[in-house]
Amino acid sequence: NAGVTQTPKFQVLKTGQSMTLQCAQDMNHEYMSWYRQDPGMGLRLIHYSVGAGITDQGEVPNGYNVSRSTTEDFPLRLLSAAPSQTSVYFCASSYSDRVKPLHFGNGTRLTVT
Amino acid sequence: AQSVTQPDIHITVSEGASLELRCNYSYGATPYLFWYVQSPGQGLQLLLKYFSGDTLVQGIKGFEAEFKRSQSSFNLRKPSVHWSDAAEYFCAVGHFYGGSQGNLIFGKGTKLSVKP
Repeated sequence: NAGVTQTPKFQVLKTGQSMTLQCAQDMNHEYMSWYRQDPGMGLRLIHYSVGAGITDQGEVPNGYNVSRSTTEDFPLRLLSAAPSQTSVYFCASSYSDRVKPLHFGNGTRLTVT
Repeated sequence: AQSVTQPDIHITVSEGASLELRCNYSYGATPYLFWYVQSPGQGLQLLLKYFSGDTLVQGIKGFEAEFKRSQSSFNLRKPSVHWSDAAEYFCAVGHFYGGSQGNLIFGKGTKLSVKP
């Protein structure tokens, strides 16, 4: 059982480039979410989804897009990378029918120069 | 507004000493409370959770936490710290509504260092 898989583990981008952070889970979880972690800021919610075809914004959505075409996958797209998006990104998932603890991936460390 | 406060940014304890990490929350409804641990370069792992019932909950790795509604607190404790407990600890609060998972709100974390 792989759990939540994030790729890549590390990425360096130049300002203005675009990229997609991949997230896949094999637990049939309806709920998936993206957080960014910055020193001293804890985890802040970017976008989330409660099922295929349904997405919504979190606390810090600007500069990011998401889609949920399947239950398993929830990619995060950076449209035009900025240095302020340098961060560690975590994908997390859980069941939706009741409050279940989030299962986290191991993160993607992104640097934008 | 919903919020979670972890007052201590960094705590250092000696191996074998007891540990208490503080967490206070501000929430309008009955909260669901969690503690997660993050080792360097890793994702977050669930230590324990409180949904209802007994206010003292046991978790993995010998951790426990006590929910005190009157103080809006959910402090994490361990009677004897091991060197392997050095990590960052996050408190989180969420709720369940309308048949869907409520988003978790995380505190800013407490980094634990352990002296030999």
